[in-house]
Amino acid sequence: AQSVTQLDSQVPVFEEAPVELRCNYSSSVSVYLFWYVQYPNQGLQLLLKYLSGSTLVESINGFEAEFNKSQTSFHLRKPSVHISDTAEYFCAVSKQGGGNKLTFGTGTQLKVEL
Amino acid sequence: DTGVSQDPRHKITKRGQNVTFRCDPISEHNRLYWYRQTLGQGPEFLTYFQNEAQLEKSRLLSDRFSAERPKGSFSTLEIQRTEQGDSAMYLCASTPGLALDTGELFFGEGSRLTVL
Repeated sequence: AQSVTQLDSQVPVFEEAPVELRCNYSSSVSVYLFWYVQYPNQGLQLLLKYLSGSTLVESINGFEAEFNKSQTSFHLRKPSVHISDTAEYFCAVSKQGGGNKLTFGTGTQLKVEL
Repeated sequence: DTGVSQDPRHKITKRGQNVTFRCDPISEHNRLYWYRQTLGQGPEFLTYFQNEAQLEKSRLLSDRFSAERPKGSFSTLEIQRTEQGDSAMYLCASTPGLALDTGELFFGEGSRLTVL
C-alpha cells in the first residue's frame, strides 16, 4: 500500500515570497506522483505530475516539483507567490499500473497575504 | 460545460434515511471513481469502474454503500440507513482509461452530505 505525508497543514506566506509545500510518500512499488489544487468552492484540479523522465516538473502557473527517489519526496515550490495561489494543495501517489487509484495526503492550506 | 457533473451538490438528511448521488463523467471517459473527503482530510478512495464493471472497492465502502454504473456512462452512489459519520464530501472523477490514460483524474465539484 502507498501512503502520503504532508507535514504542514497550513502555510501562511506574503505575496511575492517563495514557498515550499512538503510531501513525502511511502511505497514498496514504483509510483506516479501528483499535486492537485483545490481553490475555494471549486473541484480538485491537477497542478502537475511526475510519471517518468525528468525529475523536475513544472506547471503553467509557475509551480515546480522535484521527484527525489532516495528521499521519497515530491516537494512543491514556487519562487514568488500571488494572492490567487491561495488554495488547498494535495499531494497524491498512484501505483504504476494500478488503475489510477490515487492515495492523497491530508492537504496543505496555502494562504497568501498582502 | 463538459466536465464531471455531480448531483445534488448539497444534501441534508436525517439519520437512518437513504441518499443517492449521481455522477456524470466526461463524455467517453471509460473509468469512473468515487472518493470521500472529510473535514481536514484528503480524499479517500471508495471504488472505481471500468465501463460498467466495478473493478475495486475500498474497505471504507461498508455494506450500506452501493455504487453502480449500469450503462457505462453515469454512476450512482447510494448510502442506506445513513449515520452521522457518513457526513462528508463525495467526489467523483473520471479518466479516459487504457491507452489514453495520462495518470490524471478529472474531478467534479463534489456532493456534500450532512447527516443530522
